[in-house]
Amino acid sequence: EAGVTQFPSHSVIEKGQTVTLRCDPISGHDNLYWYRRVMGKEIKFLLHFVKESKQDESGMPNNRFLAERTGGTYSTLKVQPAELEDSGVYFCASSPVAHSPLHFGNGTRLTVT
Amino acid sequence: GQNIDQPTEMTATEGAIVQINCTYQTSGFNGLFWYQQHAGEAPTFLSYNVLDGLEEKGRFSSFLSRSKGYSYLLLKELQMKDSASYLCAVPNSGNTPLVFGKGTRLSVIA
Repeated sequence: EAGVTQFPSHSVIEKGQTVTLRCDPISGHDNLYWYRRVMGKEIKFLLHFVKESKQDESGMPNNRFLAERTGGTYSTLKVQPAELEDSGVYFCASSPVAHSPLHFGNGTRLTVT
Repeated sequence: GQNIDQPTEMTATEGAIVQINCTYQTSGFNGLFWYQQHAGEAPTFLSYNVLDGLEEKGRFSSFLSRSKGYSYLLLKELQMKDSASYLCAVPNSGNTPLVFGKGTRLSVIA
């Protein structure tokens, strides 16, 4: 079984630019989550999809962040325009049902300069 | 909301036993997870406790006391490869999204 895959693994952009992160969950996992870890701090929840619907987006920091999950398969997280404080590692995770262990991707390390 | 507290760093000797503690405060309780994360890699699931007591899984065991808001992860016969961050996490009350502690960075030394 292929795991959760994220692309790119690293991204370095300048302040004001746009970046799109992609996550491919494990096939058949309806639940898809985005998390972020800023250096020195805990992993923080951003949002949760169930299939193509946003179940909970209470963790999204502001309207510069836009997440989509087309057709309930892969998901994208766009940051536009990027700010310095957006730097961190963005993790995607999936699970077959709620309250089951999450399967994480290796993350995308975003650096905004 | 949730408040999760765990030590920032710990060091232990190869072959020894180490206990990593986690205290939490939640408005509801839907279980507690432990994850392991090696540097630059994805967090991987270790254990899930929803009832009080000790769950043993090979060299790793996890304990939960719901009344005390307390859990620990016990690692036996430590190996160098156990050097990693160990994350305590609880689901958001009534729903799924996990809230993570800052993690405990464990260094296993020879």
